[in-house]
This record gives sequence, structure tokens and C-alpha cells, in this order.
Amino acid sequence: ETGVTQTPRHLVMGMTNKKSLKCEQHLGHNAMYWYKQSAKKPLELMFVYSLEERVENNSVPSRFSPECPNSSHLFLHLHTLQPEDSALYLCASSKSLAGTDTQYFGPGTRLTVL
Amino acid sequence: QKEVEQDPGPLSVPEGAIVSLNCTYSNSAFQYFMWYRQYSRKGPELLMYTYSSGNKEDGRFTAQVDKSSKYISLFIRDSQPSDSATYLCAMATIYSGGSNYKLTFGKGTLLTVNP
Repeated sequence: ETGVTQTPRHLVMGMTNKKSLKCEQHLGHNAMYWYKQSAKKPLELMFVYSLEERVENNSVPSRFSPECPNSSHLFLHLHTLQPEDSALYLCASSKSLAGTDTQYFGPGTRLTVL
Repeated sequence: QKEVEQDPGPLSVPEGAIVSLNCTYSNSAFQYFMWYRQYSRKGPELLMYTYSSGNKEDGRFTAQVDKSSKYISLFIRDSQPSDSATYLCAMATIYSGGSNYKLTFGKGTLLTVNP
């Protein structure tokens, strides 16, 4: 158990649906991240939060909307997604943004957009 | 040119072999170099990280960074079937007091160690 949990583990949604992914960490970390992992592509960093403030904006389409209500929880709100958004969405956390701080990953949410 | 290049494999070796995994990069601003291991249906876990050029050893694993050639390697000695996984290299730059953060991963190399 890494201390980072994600729900749901699997999600199938239509292009007109609205859904949310949830991430929770019990490690007392101050930084949290959303990543997208597609087949045969590098892991892509989508959003970074440090002390509940977004510090990285990687030109992610607006149909993905992150929310960090406190340092333990991170959400990714999804609406009007496209089939190419089907991927594994990983959440991670670290003590801080320092490069020497280990990022701990959750198990991911496998998203399929029909 | 992609910022980080990693051969996706797959790589298949017999048990006990020495495995060499490599990545090249183009962004000289990268300061931190990491190797992650990802088992099927799991998130990546950090194996090793280095900050400077040179070698770092941890048990059967050795990470090597050559900043002048923009080349990093991970060596696995006496490979075991339990080492079968996808190995991802990653590189990071943190600057402006932490307000700018860039982390880039390679595509990952799928390794199978056969008993």
C-alpha cells in the first residue's frame, strides 16, 4: 500500500457524460500531481499542485478540470471527453516539489471513453 | 527532437543476465534523473534518482548519468524474473523557487526476465 488511493479504478463513460476522478493521500505530502498514461506514449504530466495551489499548466484541454480542496485530496473533473482521452490516469504525491522528494503513485484509474 | 527518448523494447533476457536500459535527452536544463519501475496494473514506483553526473549504486541496480552526452542508464545485475516490468526514465527541472516544475518521462522499456 503506497498511501495514495484512487477511485474509481475503472471508469467507462460516454462523450456527453460528466464524471470525476478522486485521489487521496495519507502521507502528509504537500504536492500532488495528475498524470496521463497512454499506450506507447510517455507518461504525461497534466497538473501539479503545491500547498493546494496549481503551479503547472501543461496546456491540457479544458475538458479536464482539476480541483485540490486540501493537501490530502485531488480531483480531476471530466466533461465532454473524446475517445482519444481513454488512458490510465495516475495520481501522485510528494513531500514537496523538490526534485529529491520521491513521488508516490496511486494505482490509477483506467478510463474508457466510448 | 523529443525531449526524452527511450527505446520501448520489448527486451527479453534470461535470468541472471545483466540488463542495460538507456535514455537520451535534449534539454540541458534537466537537473534530476530518475528511474521508475511499473508492474502491470500498478502505478510507477521510484527505483533510483541522481542529481549529478556519475554512478549511483543500490543493490543490484546502478544508475549512471552522463550530462555531457545527455545520456542516462540503468543497469540491473543478476536479473530476476521479479524484475520483469516496464522501466521508465524521468527527468526534472525545478526552478524559480519551486514555482516552475517540469518533469518529463520516457516511453518506458518493457523488460521480461525469463527463468
